[in-house]
Amino acid sequence: EVQLVESGGGLVKPGGSLRLSCAASGFTFSSYSMNWVRQAPGKGLEWVSSISSSSSYIYYADSVKGRFTISRDNAKNSLYLQMNSLRAEDTAVYYCARNVEMIYWGQGTLVTVSS
Amino acid sequence: QSVLTQPPSVSAAPGQKVTISCSGSSSNIGNNYVSWYQQLPGTAPKLLIYDNNKRPSGIPDRFSGSKSGTSATLGITGLQTGDEADYYCGTWDSSLSVLFGGGTKLTVL
Repeated sequence: EVQLVESGGGLVKPGGSLRLSCAASGFTFSSYSMNWVRQAPGKGLEWVSSISSSSSYIYYADSVKGRFTISRDNAKNSLYLQMNSLRAEDTAVYYCARNVEMIYWGQGTLVTVSS
Repeated sequence: QSVLTQPPSVSAAPGQKVTISCSGSSSNIGNNYVSWYQQLPGTAPKLLIYDNNKRPSGIPDRFSGSKSGTSATLGITGLQTGDEADYYCGTWDSSLSVLFGGGTKLTVL
């Protein structure tokens, strides 16, 4: 069974940093691209970043470019999102999702940016 | 405001059919595959349709997708109360970013 489990969310002050993790199981992690998608409270889905299977290709939304860094460790079956210079508008549930079609999603982890 | 335009809400009675539209441009829908996601209240999104009209394993054939030019449509037949959810279209853009529509809330009356 495919499982994606996000962790690392929490309350952080504006300007602070947080590192999200997504632990994958039930499939060959190293064969698939991965994505981070977020959803602000009461709002729609917003794509954040994508990374190819071998980390050769990385893409970011303009809203997070230069502040967020996506990475993966295929040996540990894990996806990461390093978030720096956090702003109030980054408050959201962050989901990891597998491959281009986003066929599998995790349950999400809540990030709250507030003083 | 999303680049992909969806109606904010649609409604229909149980057993009826509903369609949800997603309008984009040649830089996104016009030249890329479209996916559709269902998000039930308080849960993570779930893939319903990929590559414009393909259904993942386990998705009933009551759900269908189509694309024409720069627009895509999700169709749901035999509406059930359990279909009440938010629905999102998604696709890649030529700017190498993923786009989602603003979402459509389906109410089954």
